[in-house]
Amino acid sequence: NAGVTQTPKFRILKIGQSMTLQCTQDMNHNYMYWYRQDPGMGLKLIYYSVGAGITDKGEVPNGYNVSRSTTEDFPLRLELAAPSQTSVYFCASKGSSYNEQFFGPGTRLTVL
Amino acid sequence: AQTVTQSQPEMSVQEAETVTLSCTYDTSESDYYLFWYKQPPSRQMILVIRQEAYKQQNATENRFSVNFQKAAKSFSLKISDSQLGDAAMYFCAYRSARGGSQGNLIFGKGTKLSVKP
Repeated sequence: NAGVTQTPKFRILKIGQSMTLQCTQDMNHNYMYWYRQDPGMGLKLIYYSVGAGITDKGEVPNGYNVSRSTTEDFPLRLELAAPSQTSVYFCASKGSSYNEQFFGPGTRLTVL
Repeated sequence: AQTVTQSQPEMSVQEAETVTLSCTYDTSESDYYLFWYKQPPSRQMILVIRQEAYKQQNATENRFSVNFQKAAKSFSLKISDSQLGDAAMYFCAYRSARGGSQGNLIFGKGTKLSVKP
């Protein structure tokens, strides 16, 4: 199993550009999450999903959108990128019966 | 809302010695889970240890152990026989066990651990 994979690993965007961060898990987990980690801080929840077709906002959703059309994929969309979105983005997944969340390797995004 | 506080931004330990990282949390719930994650320079989040709040026994994983004080809402991590590979950011995290919760983690700001040879 590959676990949780994220692409790209690094990206530089200009202000106002858009992009999609990809996240895929092959563990058949129902729960998936997007977190952001700002410098010197812990991770904060952006959006989450409890299953295909079901998504909801987390603590810091502004400027982002998500979709969950399949169990495996949970892409995060940034529209009109702003410098405040410069961060490291982590995707994670969790099975219904598990306590542990499995994290992807992260995407470092810089908005200039 | 639940919060997690790590009051030590940085800690240092000599190789082979023991170090304790502090974590306190605030919650009105009685059933929850607590975690310690390690984040090395590679950025990968690695689960170190977890504790179920309903268990009185402190969790242990090899050189890592916790001191869970439920009444004091304290959850410290002890690393014994510290190794150079233990150098990393350590995050304390909380997760509700309430039925219907989304299962997300609430993180502290982290403690940067340095290990001196």
